[in-house]
Parts: sequence; structure tokens; C-alpha cells
Amino acid sequence: AQKVTQAQTEISVVEKEDVTLDCVYETRDTTYYLFWYKQPPSGELVFLIRRNSFDEQNEISGRYSWNFQKSTSSFNFTITASQVVDSAVYFCALSDLYSGGYQKVTFGTGTKLQVIP
Amino acid sequence: GAVVSQHPSRVICKSGTSVKIECRSLDFQATTMFWYRQFPKQSLMLMATSNEGSKATYEQGVEKDKFLINHASLTLSTLTVTSAHPEDSSFYICSARQNYGYTFGSGTRLTVV
Repeated sequence: AQKVTQAQTEISVVEKEDVTLDCVYETRDTTYYLFWYKQPPSGELVFLIRRNSFDEQNEISGRYSWNFQKSTSSFNFTITASQVVDSAVYFCALSDLYSGGYQKVTFGTGTKLQVIP
Repeated sequence: GAVVSQHPSRVICKSGTSVKIECRSLDFQATTMFWYRQFPKQSLMLMATSNEGSKATYEQGVEKDKFLINHASLTLSTLTVTSAHPEDSSFYICSARQNYGYTFGSGTRLTVV
């Protein structure tokens, strides 16, 4: 069975500070995907990134960066120079491959980020 | 990009009535749709997986007779909460698999009074 742990339930930072959201996962599968989603107060889930288990390259997209370390089963997310609009709940997720051919996504419990102006 | 249109976004219903939630994939075919439930300040819990033209697969502990899922076409999946009770009040969200990952609907906040 797969499991995603986001140990930080809530984080508060002052605007322009950098912040890292931690994600640790467990899976017995050798092929899997990792995701990060943002859920603003309005409720919709916004896709941020997908990472294949074979690709350990770190990725940067604007102020966002992701650090994937298979050795520690971690997929951490860093926001540089945080802004008030970054305030949201962030979910890390994992998908394995079911024998039926479709993938089930397991979500972490989420980290609520509050950026204070 | 791919969009999943979900509605209603909010619904209030009386206890004992049924509520239908629709998810439509726009500009793509969703052969598989996932339905999640999210309680306040909690994570998303998968309720069931629906495949077009076949019966839905429910997660353990989810009452299939209470949460009816229909996936009659490649662009439409529906979740009907039957005989709703206050404890069914929650945020329901659907998701369809896409090449890059999963596209989520905007969610439905159900309040049963």
C-alpha cells in the first residue's frame, strides 16, 4: 500500500521569505508518479507538477522548485520569495499502477501555508 | 489544457433527499473518473473509480447503494448521494486522468440540513 506523509500541518511565513514543504512517501512499486497540488480557499485543486520515479532531476518553475530524492523517498517543494497569493493548502500525492491498468492517487494530509504580508 | 467541469459548486439539500453531482470532461475523453471526498481540514479520500460503460469500483467502507456512480459516456460521470444525511455534508471532487497527470473538477460543497 502507498502512503504519503506531510508532517507540516500549518506553516506561516512573512512575505518574501522562502519556504519548503516536506513530503515523504512509501510505495512498493518501482514505477510511480509524484505530484504536488495547490488548493486555494475556493476549493479547486490546481496541478503544479508531476515527477516520474525514474527522473530524479530537480525542477524549477519560476519561484517554485522541487527536490526529488529517491534515496530518502522525499519530494520536497520550495517556494522562493513567497507571496500572499501562495497562501493555500498544498497536497503531495503519489500514484501507483493498479493491475487493472489505471492509477489510483493517494494524497498526503496537506500543508496549509499562510503568507503574511 | 484539459478541463473537467463539475457542478453544482454548492448545494444545500434537506435530509432524506438525493443530490446529483456531474463531472464533464471538456475537449477530451475521460475513460476513467475518480471521485473523492474531503472533510474540512482533511485530505482527499478516494471514494470510487468509475470506468465508462462498466460498474464503479468502490473503496472499502464506501456504501455503493448510497453513493451511486454512473459513467455512461466518455465525457460524463455522475455521483448521486441518495437519502442524504447531515453526515454526508462534505466537499466532493472528481478527477480524470490525463497525459500529464490528473485534472480535477472545481468541487461541490454539499450541505445537508
